[in-house]
Amino acid sequence: DAGVTQSPTHLIKTRGQQVTLRCSPKSGHDTVSWYQQALGQGPQFIFQYYEEEERQRGNFPDRFSGHQFPNYSSELNVNALLLGDSALYLCASSLRLLSGRQPQHFGDGTRLSIL
Amino acid sequence: QQQVKQSPQSLIVQKGGISIINCAYENTAFDYFPWYQQFPGKGPALLIAIRPDVSEKKEGRFTISFNKSAKQFSLHIMDSQPGDSATYFCAASRRAGSGGGADGLTFGKGTHLIIQP
Repeated sequence: DAGVTQSPTHLIKTRGQQVTLRCSPKSGHDTVSWYQQALGQGPQFIFQYYEEEERQRGNFPDRFSGHQFPNYSSELNVNALLLGDSALYLCASSLRLLSGRQPQHFGDGTRLSIL
Repeated sequence: QQQVKQSPQSLIVQKGGISIINCAYENTAFDYFPWYQQFPGKGPALLIAIRPDVSEKKEGRFTISFNKSAKQFSLHIMDSQPGDSATYFCAASRRAGSGGGADGLTFGKGTHLIIQP
């Protein structure tokens, strides 16, 4: 049973460029959340997708956008890259439950470096 | 505004000892409190989680203690082993609404734990 998979593992971009990161959720999961983890910090919530729609968004600018596909996989797009966007980008998947207390399972992330 | 405060920032414990990490939250709407373990180069892995209607939950060597009135919760690692050396994060979330699901997790800043042999 494959867990959450993310690609690529590492990426180097320059300021002003655009980047797309990809995530395949754990089998059986229907909700994907994206997080940004700066070095030495805890992950920060970017947004969450369920039924191909953005359901909730953290405190991130519109340069950050996403998409969820019918097979539940997801993409994170970042436009006009800034040096401060250098971070580990984590994808987490979960199964949407009425109780709301579903555990989120994380992938190993994409390390994005901006030069 | 940091909604989940975690302490200490770093912790050194002797092998066989008890490791204790504390977290405090501000948002009383939070109703799910997980702890994650992260090794270098890896994503966070869920260790154990608790709901606010329970004061303690134990899974193997890991125990969460929860104090709803104080808005605090803690992770205790009994018989700490060198393999437990990692960064630990507390987190919290709330229900998204009547339609189910939950908001994104709010994480603490992490505790770098070192278990000395």
